Amino acid sequence: DAKTTQPNSMESNEEEPVHLPCNHSTISGTDYIHWYRQLPSQGPEYVIHGLTSNVNNRMASLAIAEDRKSSTLILHRATLRDAAVYYCILRDVGGSSNTGKLIFGQGTTLQVKP
Amino acid sequence: NAGVTQTPKFQVLKTGQSMTLQCAQDMNHEYMSWYRQDPGMGLRLIHYSVGAGITDQGEVPNGYNVSRSTTEDFPLRLLSAAPSQTSVYFCASSYLWAGSEAFFGQGTRLTVV
Repeated sequence: DAKTTQPNSMESNEEEPVHLPCNHSTISGTDYIHWYRQLPSQGPEYVIHGLTSNVNNRMASLAIAEDRKSSTLILHRATLRDAAVYYCILRDVGGSSNTGKLIFGQGTTLQVKP
Repeated sequence: NAGVTQTPKFQVLKTGQSMTLQCAQDMNHEYMSWYRQDPGMGLRLIHYSVGAGITDQGEVPNGYNVSRSTTEDFPLRLLSAAPSQTSVYFCASSYLWAGSEAFFGQGTRLTVV
């Protein structure tokens, strides 16, 4: 399973943009980059995913490096409700060794200051 | 459309007791999985399934059994509970496609005394 590396923690001020980095230097050509977040005392929730191109949805944007060895989750205006642990995960499906497992790392704990 | 439903939400067991954590999804997802999360830690994959009749081990399978007789249900069995299995357990499901988002249940908080 390809690994990801994220900073343990980050801080942001409310109403400011937040850029959460993720390194995945061993990514394969068929790995999708997924981001999930876990609010306190809740199960993880999907944020966004992408393969090669940058992606936008109502929650966030995902910027993927041209060589795909890193990506950045962008929260355009952080709110107090965005305080959570953010997980960057690679997912592949296909072949005997790529069974679609979602393997979580330690993630980045985001603190948002009022 | 209920999503992923886990039961029970809370459970206290005595050491050596057995029990089954239930997980059901109504989205016709092929992929289902179980995780445990210890305090202050990330999620660790216990077992997963890519379809009815197919299961495989994750990162921490010891002490747990699973089966997948239907697409909808993926129960997790603790054969002989130990205090080390005190944790929050999450079930997740998705389509079997790398670009599919996973949906998580609300969790089962298990305490083994």
